Amino acid sequence: GAGVSQSPRYKVAKRGQDVALRCDPISGHVSLFWYQQALGQGPEFLTYFQNEAQLDKSGLPSDRFFAERPEGSVSTLKIQRTQQEDSAVYLCASSLGGISNQPQHFGDGTRLSIL
Amino acid sequence: AQSVAQPEDQVNVAEGNPLTVKCTYSVSGNPYLFWYVQYPNRGLQFLLKYITGDNLVKGSYGFEAEFNKSQTSFHLKKPSALVSDSALYFCAVRDGANAGKSTFGDGTTLTVKP
Repeated sequence: GAGVSQSPRYKVAKRGQDVALRCDPISGHVSLFWYQQALGQGPEFLTYFQNEAQLDKSGLPSDRFFAERPEGSVSTLKIQRTQQEDSAVYLCASSLGGISNQPQHFGDGTRLSIL
Repeated sequence: AQSVAQPEDQVNVAEGNPLTVKCTYSVSGNPYLFWYVQYPNRGLQFLLKYITGDNLVKGSYGFEAEFNKSQTSFHLKKPSALVSDSALYFCAVRDGANAGKSTFGDGTTLTVKP
């Protein structure tokens, strides 16, 4: 069956450019999460949506990071004026409901490299 | 605040032997605990979870985990390791009252040798 789909799989950008990363969650999944995974580390929480509402954005590292999910389905993570420290794998996950006991289903990630 | 510690970066076992991957956690509310596995260049795959009830939970691919409240631990186990179990394993915790943020450990690389 269709899982969480992320695009692009790989993105190379020059420092200072803006990038947009897309996440298509599993159809019908209410909750959507973004994580940043640096090399050799576990995923770090960035933000969480329940339907179109962004309920927690406490993990966004700066105001250069912005996420949206306008229709409660597809989500976009945007990074403005990219810096080298933004290089990482960005993971999107979704879960069926809006309660905390449900596992998350992850996409394969977007590997972002800032030159 | 919540946190997860996976004290071992690497665990090596021989095929057919039992394996344990350790995890300890800290959370202010009720702990909801999860194990995920990650293969190279892939996202994380759910293995098992503890929410409430029996302290020994069983999951996919013959894995199980034991919740120990007094030791704040949630160690992953398997009675007989397979070479195909070799991968990166992550433990994660959520506060039961917060449907959003999960906190992950830094992962443990499991290598099973034939």
